[in-house]
Amino acid sequence: DTEVTQTPKHLVMGMTNKKSLKCEQHMGHRAMYWYKQKAKKPPELMFVYSYEKLSINESVPSRFSPECPNSSLLNLHLHALQPEDSALYLCASSQDPRGGEQFFGPGTRLTVL
Amino acid sequence: GQSLEQPSEVTAVEGAIVQINCTYQTSGFYGLSWYQQHDGGAPTFLSYNALDGLEETGRFSSFLSRSDSYGYLLLQELQMKDSASYFCAVRDRGNRDDKIIFGKGTRLHILP
Repeated sequence: DTEVTQTPKHLVMGMTNKKSLKCEQHMGHRAMYWYKQKAKKPPELMFVYSYEKLSINESVPSRFSPECPNSSLLNLHLHALQPEDSALYLCASSQDPRGGEQFFGPGTRLTVL
Repeated sequence: GQSLEQPSEVTAVEGAIVQINCTYQTSGFYGLSWYQQHDGGAPTFLSYNALDGLEETGRFSSFLSRSDSYGYLLLQELQMKDSASYFCAVRDRGNRDDKIIFGKGTRLHILP
């Protein structure tokens, strides 16, 4: 299995909702990442988990809460989001936490109403 | 500060060769990566250079000069399917934590 999967593909939520994005990889990669990408912009790093521990938090608002239940799974819990949080949320993984090759999932297209 | 610079758009003809440059300014440096992203799709890894020199993978090659803080992606025998955005990215070895920074992307247009 050489892919990163993400669910759901699309999500529409209100500002008072609580939802979760899920990411899974079975490549034995030791690092997993959450990125946010707006249209025609580069991916922006949000969080990095290295060996199941949070190693980087790029000053992300607390309404985004990451969780790494095990080495294959990564969740992003969403609560009280704002319309400006609407974006494509990408999960990625890499074998080496300091390597340059990341495998990206297809992303979750999030719309906040 | 930390920054990556790459051209916003490049246009080339099918079958030709195109080079996309990337210059970076970081406090630390592990290596330079390149990703391709088609509209509506996710980024796909193309190459990674940790050491100076040229890495070749099929029609794509990537070059790095750490002394010049410069790299490029070379695409040969261009095909229409190569029309996409191309991002350079660096892992910056910060004082406390590593940071992963993407360039703003180069939109490659292929003309028939």
